[in-house]
Amino acid sequence: QQQVKQSPQSLIVQKGGISIINCAYENTAFDYFPWYQQFPGKGPALLIAIRPDVSEKKEGRFTISFNKSAKQFSLHIMDSQPGDSATYFCAASTSNTGKLIFGQGTTLQVKP
Amino acid sequence: ETGVTQTPRHLVMGMTNKKSLKCEQHLGHNAMYWYKQSAKKPLELMFVYSLEERVENNSVPSRFSPECPNSSHLFLHLHTLQPEDSALYLCASSQGIADTQYFGPGTRLTVL
Repeated sequence: QQQVKQSPQSLIVQKGGISIINCAYENTAFDYFPWYQQFPGKGPALLIAIRPDVSEKKEGRFTISFNKSAKQFSLHIMDSQPGDSATYFCAASTSNTGKLIFGQGTTLQVKP
Repeated sequence: ETGVTQTPRHLVMGMTNKKSLKCEQHLGHNAMYWYKQSAKKPLELMFVYSLEERVENNSVPSRFSPECPNSSHLFLHLHTLQPEDSALYLCASSQGIADTQYFGPGTRLTVL
């Protein structure tokens, strides 16, 4: 019940295309859903996060869509760029614990 | 130095060695974390400290021993490790337990 399942494991997108990464969870107590971006040799960095009181959050080219009834959330990267090539992790937690449960990660490659 | 720093960045040790990983945060945060990142596996939370007190110990073997002498520093003491402990060890900090976690670059540990 503590798992967060992420797909796909890897993704190749052409420059200018839309990258979509999906996550699913079981624990209905989760109330904080961040996405992290990790470049080689670096630690993960927070990209965007959402709480279940909204169904969508957009920051620049990055959008989180959240479906509470389906217990799913996804990251959409519009107009994908080669500089977006990285590993993306979804995560979930209950906000009073700080205990982030991470998905397995998606390696994104954006081809020029 | 800014953000979260970790030393050393790379460490090779034998199974009988004793070594320590160091993490320092320059963000004025009150919570610090240790994570293990293995290939093809989700990030695993190991320990959580809040105001220098351990609040989470995620069933980690006793060969890993954390220490948090103050809110800016976190150590992970290692002894009699196994080859399967080879991984990237990430430190993170946050203002409070429920706040955004900021990660360091990690220590790449290889156990021979």
